[in-house]
Amino acid sequence: DADVTQTPRNRITKTGKRIMLECSQTKGHDRMYWYRQDPGLGLQLIYYSFDVKDINKGEISDGYSVSRQAQAKFSLSLESAIPNQTALYFCATSDAGTENTGELFFGEGSRLTVL
Amino acid sequence: SQQGEEDPQALSIQEGENATMNCSYKTSINNLQWYRQNSGRGLVHLILIRSNEREKHSGRLRVTLDTSKKSSSLLITASRAADTASYFCATDMTGTASKLTFGTGTRLQVTL
Repeated sequence: DADVTQTPRNRITKTGKRIMLECSQTKGHDRMYWYRQDPGLGLQLIYYSFDVKDINKGEISDGYSVSRQAQAKFSLSLESAIPNQTALYFCATSDAGTENTGELFFGEGSRLTVL
Repeated sequence: SQQGEEDPQALSIQEGENATMNCSYKTSINNLQWYRQNSGRGLVHLILIRSNEREKHSGRLRVTLDTSKKSSSLLITASRAADTASYFCATDMTGTASKLTFGTGTRLQVTL
């Protein structure tokens, strides 16, 4: 089983619908991240969390919300989806370790299409 | 805006040749990391180099870091078809929370 699991892997929805993308991890890491990838733009950080009570906005948080239900679970919601939120979404985790930011471990991604 | 910019955007080489990708960034860093992404898949960590390091090796990978020029390079020696992927640099910026800022990536195509 994958260490970082994202569901769903693919989703097609309509404008205005609420969508939740879920991420769970078995690595025991405190730090979790949601990134968005658009073609040619690399990855952009949406939200990140260092523990259940610590949630922080990233570069592009508008239109998104998150919930850290437990150390192992971090969900991303689109309250009212719009077409320009069509993208590939990645969840990632990292260990505190000795680095300020160490290696990130990524899920396989959730491809979201908003019609 | 992107902290890291990779160059070239795309690179096509033959199997056995070396591939070099470059990354430039804008602000001071704690470390710089390189990741690989096979088409549409999750990113996989390749190597981390700290700001006080100048060169690091891992198997066929060689990474250099020049903090005075705010640039890094990733060299893949003796490329294989299986190295075909996108490669991203990511920076851990000084004075910020624990998070990485990714560049736009280099698409590497290795042909037989």
